[in-house]
Amino acid sequence: DQQVKQNSPSLSVQEGRISILNCDYTNSMFDYFLWYKKYPAEGPTFLISISSIKDKNEDGRFTVFLNKSAKHLSLHIVPSQPGDSAVYFCAASAVQGSQGNLIFGKGTKLSVKP
Amino acid sequence: KAGVTQTPRYLIKTRGQQVTLSCSPISGHRSVSWYQQTPGQGLQFLFEYFSETQRNKGNFPGRFSGRQFSNSRSEMNVSTLELGDSALYLCASSLGRRATDTQYFGPGTRLTVL
Repeated sequence: DQQVKQNSPSLSVQEGRISILNCDYTNSMFDYFLWYKKYPAEGPTFLISISSIKDKNEDGRFTVFLNKSAKHLSLHIVPSQPGDSAVYFCAASAVQGSQGNLIFGKGTKLSVKP
Repeated sequence: KAGVTQTPRYLIKTRGQQVTLSCSPISGHRSVSWYQQTPGQGLQFLFEYFSETQRNKGNFPGRFSGRQFSNSRSEMNVSTLELGDSALYLCASSLGRRATDTQYFGPGTRLTVL
């Protein structure tokens, strides 16, 4: 049973527009969430994280929103650039529980077209 | 500061053989986690090592094992290889064991089992 779900396998966006990537989770013990970006032939690269005590975290063009009641988080990229084209993974962890054990979604492939 | 390195980058083995993969964490990082990435299952947690001790283990058979050395370098071993073990194996290091300690990934080892 998938505890972290990214229901959109792919997303195509025009350069300069907003990209919104979504992620749902089922385990209410999760209280720390991360987004990673992955290019082909490279390992995932950490983008941004959010603790469950917040509902928003910003870092430059990247903003993550967390809706605890809906068990949903989203990553907004504004404005989108062609270099953002990659696979984006949502991951979750329980701060109070096991360490080092990130539960990943299956990823969403973002294509930003010039 | 050098990133996480993994060797070898590519490996081809046949069923029944065993394989050892190596991971050198970022200098100063004491926690090393291993993940398996396949198209069908996505990124799945294998195990985590800290101070030469396995602290956490994912849901994988006993054919998958690992260890960590005093310099924090880690190896994982897969015995009696099966076709389904073909995957990208990723190593990630972090300063400590807190969920908020960002995990930095290496480029991975692509294992093909024939």
